[in-house]
Amino acid sequence: AQSVTQLGSHVSVSEGALVLLRCNYSSSVPPYLFWYVQYPNQGLQLLLKYTSAATLVKGINGFEAEFKKSETSFHLTKPSAHMSDAAEYFCAVSGQGAQKLVFGQGTRLTINP
Amino acid sequence: GAVVSQHPSWVICKSGTSVKIECRSLDFQATTMFWYRQFPKQSLMLMATSNEGSKATYEQGVEKDKFLINHASLTLSTLTVTSAHPEDSSFYICSALPGGIYNEQFFGPGTRLTVL
Repeated sequence: AQSVTQLGSHVSVSEGALVLLRCNYSSSVPPYLFWYVQYPNQGLQLLLKYTSAATLVKGINGFEAEFKKSETSFHLTKPSAHMSDAAEYFCAVSGQGAQKLVFGQGTRLTINP
Repeated sequence: GAVVSQHPSWVICKSGTSVKIECRSLDFQATTMFWYRQFPKQSLMLMATSNEGSKATYEQGVEKDKFLINHASLTLSTLTVTSAHPEDSSFYICSALPGGIYNEQFFGPGTRLTVL
């Protein structure tokens, strides 16, 4: 079975500051890990994914995440926040490729001018 | 590429009526489609997995007779909420998984259902 815990339901940073959104996972099999972004009243857009290749994964819009097996973590970072990054972010895990994603509870990112 | 559409984007209906939501993969064939439900300010909960030409697999706690899923072709899946009640009001999102080596679900824009 798989599960995801996102630490912090709400994160607020200043424009230009580092963004760090935390995700810890649990999986009985080698996991596939995903970060998605959701803007209000819209579907999900994939930011990046880990599929057992490189542990440092680079995604769209300047985001990246590092898979750390020893810490069972897959934290999302961006060096410099933009106002347009304000959205809801979801971490998800799957043990079967992209089948049956299990989502974390989400983290709302607010960017302060 | 890899665009998924949903129709309608929002719907308001009276209690007791049925509502059909369509999910289409516009530029690829989807061997598998998923239906999720999202309550306000909450995460996505998988409702069911549908494979073209076979019965959908429902998650525990999801009423099969209330949420009818039909995956009639490799580009279309439908979710019908039967005898809708106010507690069925939610944001419904579908996703599609292409066949082959893809390891990414592509999500639709969602459908906002409000039952009066």
